[in-house]
Amino acid sequence: ELKVEQNPLFLSMQEGKNYTIYCNYSTTSDRLYWYRQDPGKSLESLFVLLSNGAVKQEGRLMASLDTKARLSTLHITAAVHDLSATYFCAVEDALNFGKGTSLLVTP
Amino acid sequence: GAVVSQHPSRVICKSGTSVKIECRSLDFQATTMFWYRQFPKQSLMLMATSNEGSKATYEQGVEKDKFLINHASLTLSTLTVTSAHPEDSSFYICSARELQGRGDNYGYTFGSGTRLTVV
Repeated sequence: ELKVEQNPLFLSMQEGKNYTIYCNYSTTSDRLYWYRQDPGKSLESLFVLLSNGAVKQEGRLMASLDTKARLSTLHITAAVHDLSATYFCAVEDALNFGKGTSLLVTP
Repeated sequence: GAVVSQHPSRVICKSGTSVKIECRSLDFQATTMFWYRQFPKQSLMLMATSNEGSKATYEQGVEKDKFLINHASLTLSTLTVTSAHPEDSSFYICSARELQGRGDNYGYTFGSGTRLTVV
């Protein structure tokens, strides 16, 4: 059974600070996905990581993938309030999701 | 980009009635569609995988007679919640995978979700 574990599950951080969300998965997977979900909304795709060592950046978010360690990270740089949301990682097949990280960025 | 349309966005129904949720891929053909449910402040749980023209594959613990899935064409999948009860109240989200993934999304596109409330 594929397990996807995220930590932390809850994160409160001040604006301007940096932090990393971790995503571990239990079986071999070549693709890892990061999504953002705002309250009451569906999922917004952030990143798709397709190979070992892949690194992608968009704005203040940067995601990386280490398939050997079965670990992906989502790094937040100089957080702003607009980043407050729940972030999910997911691996195939059929996208098995982690429990999500609820991020709250405060002034 | 790829768009998946999900309707209705919200529905309130009486206990014992049935509700149908539609998921359409608007600009691509989806051989496979997925149905998820999400309870408040929880993650998405995969309910079933539907393939066009064949029976859906249900995850363990999901009642196939209660959650009827039909994927009759390459652009439409439906989920019918039969004899709904208050415990079926949830946020239901569909996802469609293209025949060939495009761009960075690599083939998964999500619908906007359906908030079902059973009273």
